Amino acid sequence: GAGVSQSPRYKVAKRGQDVALRCDPISGHVSLFWYQQALGQGPEFLTYFQNEAQLDKSGLPSDRFFAERPEGSVSTLKIQRTQQEDSAVYLCASSYRDGRSSYNEQFFGPGTRLTVL
Amino acid sequence: AQKITQTQPGMFVQEKEAVTLDCTYDTSDQSYGLFWYKQPSSGEMIFLIYQGSYDEQNATEGRYSLNFQKARKSANLVISASQLGDSAMYFCAMREGFFTGGGNKLTFGTGTQLKVEL
Repeated sequence: GAGVSQSPRYKVAKRGQDVALRCDPISGHVSLFWYQQALGQGPEFLTYFQNEAQLDKSGLPSDRFFAERPEGSVSTLKIQRTQQEDSAVYLCASSYRDGRSSYNEQFFGPGTRLTVL
Repeated sequence: AQKITQTQPGMFVQEKEAVTLDCTYDTSDQSYGLFWYKQPSSGEMIFLIYQGSYDEQNATEGRYSLNFQKARKSANLVISASQLGDSAMYFCAMREGFFTGGGNKLTFGTGTQLKVEL
């Protein structure tokens, strides 16, 4: 079946511009995660949704970052007034189970590479 | 303190040989899970193997096995019979606190770049 998809795959933004990154999780997956991966680093957690509820947004680096999943499926990560330090790959992941499962394998999308000039 | 430590920035292995990628972790939780992911140059994260903190046996998935030493807090990945297609970045990750409401995010290490040579 189809995996997690993300769009756009590449985004170049001028500093100060707003961007919106889209994630389509695997159908039926309850949990959705956003991670930020800087060059040469491991992914870092941004936020987590269980269905449409945003249960953890502790990793969002500033109030310029906003995520939503209004109908419990597709999610959008929005970054306002982008800055150069926002340049990274933004990864979306989904999992079938909710947070109470110890296993809870996360399936990742291909990522969106954001470059802020 | 780092939650996940991968001390090998880069590793080389010859084709058909086995290689061990190191991972140590830090948690005070009794219930946690350890994951290994592979990230080829194309960028997608591919799940390889999982070990739960209460699992008594080391996890195995095909050519991948996890050498879990709980007392040492280490979860090394062993790849047997390396193939050229194994060349990629490998990340160790941990999920903790899943009985206390905080257990959904993965915490990743900095990764090990593996290069398989002929």
